[in-house]
Amino acid sequence: DAGITQSPRHKVTETGTPVTLRCHQTENHRYMYWYRQDPGHGLRLIHYSYGVKDTDKGEVSDGYSVSRSKTEDFLLTLESATSSQTSVYFCAISSTGGENTEAFFGQGTRLTVV
Amino acid sequence: GENVEQHPSTLSVQEGDSAVIKCTYSDSASNYFPWYKQELGKRPQLIIDIRSNVGEKKDQRIAVTLNKTAKHFSLHITETQPEDSAVYFCAATPTGANNLFFGTGTRLTVIP
Repeated sequence: DAGITQSPRHKVTETGTPVTLRCHQTENHRYMYWYRQDPGHGLRLIHYSYGVKDTDKGEVSDGYSVSRSKTEDFLLTLESATSSQTSVYFCAISSTGGENTEAFFGQGTRLTVV
Repeated sequence: GENVEQHPSTLSVQEGDSAVIKCTYSDSASNYFPWYKQELGKRPQLIIDIRSNVGEKKDQRIAVTLNKTAKHFSLHITETQPEDSAVYFCAATPTGANNLFFGTGTRLTVIP
């Protein structure tokens, strides 16, 4: 398995609180992604990064922010958690972006907002 | 952006039978089509992919076909086994895009 680790693996938080999820890779891959997985919706891209300090929005970016200060770390922050953000969050990495390259996924973080 | 539709959402087959999952995409510039398998409680993992210059690709019991004119591609699993039970996702990437656009997934159940 690719060296990609998400933390925490599980989290329960209250509505209105900020939450940060961490993705750490040891593969030195350029691209890093945050997806959320919900029943009936598959995997939807929240944000991605194509280098240190270089990020872009995905299709469901509202309410989320990201940061990448080092190649190996990509942080996802829920600025003020809402119940609609209850989901399983997956980080993924890729060496050369979406085209023609395999994306390796982390183990996922199950987030519950109560 | 790209829109990928996947059918069916659930599929049950008897062990030994074949399973087919179909996807359509909207962006004619898409040129890379991977398939991911996600077992219960696990991460998605790539099982096979196809590029736009190829019409079919096979790897043991799994195969993928691509029809660029119709903008659809399919996953075929033959001689299904209980360990094939999982959620399968198709995806597409337009030329120059930096990310994958996923379908909504198909839950395949292989009945022993």
